[in-house]
Amino acid sequence: NAGVTQTPKFRVLKTGQSMTLLCAQDMNHEYMYWYRQDPGMGLRLIHYSVGEGTTAKGEVPDGYNVSRLKKQNFLLGLESAAPSQTSVYFCASSRDRVTIEAFFGQGTRLTVV
Amino acid sequence: GQNIDQPTEMTATEGAIVQINCTYQTSGFNGLFWYQQHAGEAPTFLSYNVLDGLEEKGRFSSFLSRSKGYSYLLLKELQMKDSASYLCAVRDGGGAGGGNKLTFGTGTQLKVEL
Repeated sequence: NAGVTQTPKFRVLKTGQSMTLLCAQDMNHEYMYWYRQDPGMGLRLIHYSVGEGTTAKGEVPDGYNVSRLKKQNFLLGLESAAPSQTSVYFCASSRDRVTIEAFFGQGTRLTVV
Repeated sequence: GQNIDQPTEMTATEGAIVQINCTYQTSGFNGLFWYQQHAGEAPTFLSYNVLDGLEEKGRFSSFLSRSKGYSYLLLKELQMKDSASYLCAVRDGGGAGGGNKLTFGTGTQLKVEL
């Protein structure tokens, strides 16, 4: 019963490098979200998806792209990493728009040097 | 948009009761959530209010007043393991493609002492 799994858990990037964070959920959830968490800023929504093949911008989308080609996977891409993107990234999913609970992955700690 | 305020940190004694307040100003409202987050871990769901009043769940209770834009989380019989950050979050009104999004406050770091 894996729930929401994020890979990798840790990563160090050099400025300008690219990478993709993978979020996988095995609960057949429709809704998936990417958040970043920074000290003193709380969790901020980057992008979200309301179903396979759909994505939408959240509060802080600049510098990130996402894709939801399969219902169970939600990918977050950084095309050209910047030090300002150093953060802890959390993926979350929820069953549908009326479901109360959102389930979070364990987080990815990304450092851009 | 959403604006959510909660105290940055609180300290309480083991066995005591603590109340963590949250105020919000929102353009849409479809429920208020409380999450618990231990250091280095993922947030986990604690409680949910969509109607005014008190919801009780064991040692944890949450209250909502929609007219005042106010909620609180009440923790009773505090234990050391309750030391964590407590996140208040508001769900938007949804709407077409609204996404059921959660907007989080910055969290209240609770320290439980002996």
